[in-house]
Amino acid sequence: AQSVTQLGSHVSVSEGALVLLRCNYSSSVPPYLFWYVQYPNQGLQLLLKYTTGATLVKGINGFEAEFKKSETSFHLTKPSAHMSDAAEYFCAVSLIQGAQKLVFGQGTRLTINP
Amino acid sequence: DAGVIQSPRHEVTEMGQEVTLRCKPISGHDYLFWYRQTMMRGLELLIYFNNNVPIDDSGMPEDRFSAKMPNASFSTLKIQPSEPRDSAVYFCASSRAGNTEAFFGQGTRLTVV
Repeated sequence: AQSVTQLGSHVSVSEGALVLLRCNYSSSVPPYLFWYVQYPNQGLQLLLKYTTGATLVKGINGFEAEFKKSETSFHLTKPSAHMSDAAEYFCAVSLIQGAQKLVFGQGTRLTINP
Repeated sequence: DAGVIQSPRHEVTEMGQEVTLRCKPISGHDYLFWYRQTMMRGLELLIYFNNNVPIDDSGMPEDRFSAKMPNASFSTLKIQPSEPRDSAVYFCASSRAGNTEAFFGQGTRLTVV
């Protein structure tokens, strides 16, 4: 069975600083990988996804993530944090081309300091 | 499209009462999911439907929980009787067949006192 581990339940960075949210997965077969964002009192929204092909994936709002098979990682980065990036971020994995078997990590709450 | 619509947004009820949460998925989506989010357990998949048929309900915590999807545009999650430990945010999501993106509603925050 697949699983996801997000390192750090809470990350705090200064406005303009690099954002790095860590995600490691375990899977017996090549996985599909996702990052979702949840703003306060909202549902989850897809930021980006890796299915096949290029391992560096670009998403909305300037975020990107790189699939590293050797490290079983899919870390999320953004070069310069903005106050509006404050939210909770979820890494998720699926073994199939479909949303019905998504397994979510525990989430990382990102705080942006002015 | 207005997205996935859930109602109510907030529900406060007394222990022992029946609670019904409602969801309208995005038109044309084949899959509908019910999730529960708590601080302790994170985001858990409770049940999902494909073309209105329940496919996997292994995440439903116990017999007090039931879900139905009478047609392609409506689903309910019912808790009867409710207990304080059911307090959580319940999300409905929908997706198209073969598409890995799930679209989430804004959730229903349930408080059982």
